[in-house]
Amino acid sequence: QKEVEQDPGPLSVPEGAIVSLNCTYSNSAFQYFMWYRQYSRKGPELLMYTYSSGNKEDGRFTAQVDKSSKYISLFIRDSQPSDSATYLCAHEGSGNTPLVFGKGTRLSVIA
Amino acid sequence: DAGVTQSPTHLIKTRGQQVTLRCSPKSGHDTVSWYQQALGQGPQFIFQYYEEEERQRGNFPDRFSGHQFPNYSSELNVNALLLGDSALYLCASSLNYRNEQFFGPGTRLTVL
Repeated sequence: QKEVEQDPGPLSVPEGAIVSLNCTYSNSAFQYFMWYRQYSRKGPELLMYTYSSGNKEDGRFTAQVDKSSKYISLFIRDSQPSDSATYLCAHEGSGNTPLVFGKGTRLSVIA
Repeated sequence: DAGVTQSPTHLIKTRGQQVTLRCSPKSGHDTVSWYQQALGQGPQFIFQYYEEEERQRGNFPDRFSGHQFPNYSSELNVNALLLGDSALYLCASSLNYRNEQFFGPGTRLTVL
């Protein structure tokens, strides 16, 4: 089983919609979870950094971690065309790997 | 405050050649990690440097090597390039090898 599973999309939504992006992971021991946003041909930009279970909110973005089901989510409220990008989830690695990433979900917000 | 910078932006090489990529970490950061991102994939960890030593290494062959300098900047070297080495190479910096990592814009390497 891959360490982090993420639906690659593409996901297309109208401007103003609420977007839900999700990942599942395999090892319940992990504590640190991140969401990165990556625009085309650019480096990933850290959006949200969370520890253990619960919610964290930053403006239009909310990150949610459910350790019991090994599920992490990113919600984007009032989505804008500028939110169109690939969203990568990640968690701390085990053994010799600092971060383990999902494949990313490509999001398009249509004006 | 400058973020993570990488050079060059793009690079085209042929099979068998060697390449060196460079990274300057975010101001105040002392740890540099390198990742390889193939098209349509998430970044894959190559190795991490802290205090001028390789601290951790992912599942990459010895053709991939690196170095960290006293000013915390870093280089990634790849020898005997293969077509499969074509990817976006990302450098990330952090403080005291914490998980909160900040990425540079990447170097896009094309191997012909």
